[in-house]
Amino acid sequence: AQSVTQPDIHITVSEGASLELRCNYSYGATPYLFWYVQSPGQGLQLLLKYFSGDTLVQGIKGFEAEFKRSQSSFNLRKPSVHWSDAAEYFCAVALGGGSQGNLIFGKGTKLSVKP
Amino acid sequence: DGGITQSPKYLFRKEGQNVTLSCEQNLNHDAMYWYRQDPGQGLRLIYYSQIVNDFQKGDIAEGYSVSREKKESFPLTVTSAQKNPTAFYLCASTTTRLANEKLFFGSGTQLSVL
Repeated sequence: AQSVTQPDIHITVSEGASLELRCNYSYGATPYLFWYVQSPGQGLQLLLKYFSGDTLVQGIKGFEAEFKRSQSSFNLRKPSVHWSDAAEYFCAVALGGGSQGNLIFGKGTKLSVKP
Repeated sequence: DGGITQSPKYLFRKEGQNVTLSCEQNLNHDAMYWYRQDPGQGLRLIYYSQIVNDFQKGDIAEGYSVSREKKESFPLTVTSAQKNPTAFYLCASTTTRLANEKLFFGSGTQLSVL
């Protein structure tokens, strides 16, 4: 069965430090992969997505993610974290040939930023 | 401005009561979705609709019902059969014209049981 695992429930980093959030997926075919961000009490906003081509994808707010098929991973990175990046981050994989709504979400990683 | 509007922001349900959560979008999107979010559980799909007057069950449809009479609107009813309704409910939409379009989310409704 398809699944998405985010191993880290909560991560704390210092402002200005680099960030990597981990995501592993289980899916038989070529996956469509996404990272979304959620501020408290709000909906989700798409950071970036991968469908094909270059395995390093750039997103909004200075985020990037790298697809590694051999490791079934799609980790999210940012070189220098800002206090405004504190939020919850969700990795997701699309089923059904990329049908957006039939997403399987990971359980999320909450990011806290220390001054 | 285009977007998705969910209302109310907070909703309380009494025992045995049905409640309806509103979701309206003016993005001209064909597809709309309802997700349930519990702390530490991520998002789980309740129902989705790809076209007016048609909808499909998601992973956790029991105790919920929906309708799609208009393209802009996709209300979710939490029935008395849903024994654990306390959660944050998110509505989303996307165009189905392109398979890789992103989901647009509303700002959610927090449902609690009195």
